[in-house]
Amino acid sequence: DQQVKQNSPSLSVQEGRISILNCDYTNSMFDYFLWYKKYPAEGPTFLISISSIKDKNEDGRFTVFLNKSAKHLSLHIVPSQPGDSAVYFCAASFSGNTGKLIFGQGTTLQVKP
Amino acid sequence: KAGVTQTPRYLIKTRGQQVTLSCSPISGHRSVSWYQQTPGQGLQFLFEYFSETQRNKGNFPGRFSGRQFSNSRSEMNVSTLELGDSALYLCASSGQGIYEQYFGPGTRLTVT
Repeated sequence: DQQVKQNSPSLSVQEGRISILNCDYTNSMFDYFLWYKKYPAEGPTFLISISSIKDKNEDGRFTVFLNKSAKHLSLHIVPSQPGDSAVYFCAASFSGNTGKLIFGQGTTLQVKP
Repeated sequence: KAGVTQTPRYLIKTRGQQVTLSCSPISGHRSVSWYQQTPGQGLQFLFEYFSETQRNKGNFPGRFSGRQFSNSRSEMNVSTLELGDSALYLCASSGQGIYEQYFGPGTRLTVT
C-alpha cells in the first residue's frame, strides 16, 4: 500500500519558470513532511520540510504548501534553474517517529535552458 | 561537519553469499536509518538504530539485519543474497528528535 504518492513520474519546465511538484498521501496520521532532491550516483539531499500545523514554508526559491484536508502537498521552485534538474522525492513521517520516513516514488524534473 | 559516509560504494556479490555495509553518521547524530532504493519500489525503509538499539523496523525479511556501535556507526548485513537484493542501499543520520535525515552517497550492491 503506497501511503505517499507522486503521480507524475516526470516534469519538464523552461528555465526561469515555476516548477510545481505534487505529492499526495493517504494516512492522516502523518505529522511531518519533507522534500528531497537526488542526483544520479548521490544520496538524497534534504531541501525543505513542513510540519502538519503549518500550511506553507518558504526557503529561498523553494516553497512547500500543505493542504491537510486534501492530503496533498506541493513543492514550488521559482525561478527554476537547469541545476534543479534531478529526481525529487516527497517523504512523510508519523508524529514522534523521527527515524522512519515514508517516501513517494519520485518525480524527475528537467529544467531546459 | 563531515557528512554521512558509506563504505564500500560499490559491491558485487554472488547469490547465496552474505554482505556487510557500513555507515558513519554525521558527528553528534545518534540516529541511523537504512533504506533500500530499487527502480520498481522506490526508497523503502529498512530499519533505524538509536543509541545501539533498533527503534524501528520496516517490512523486510529477517535476512536483513543491522547493528549500531557505541560511536553511532552502523552496519547492515544481508545474508543468503538473492538477485532481488540488487539495489542502492542508503544510510541516513539525524539528530535526536529531528525529522530531517541526512543521507550518505549509498552503496550500490549487485547480486549475480
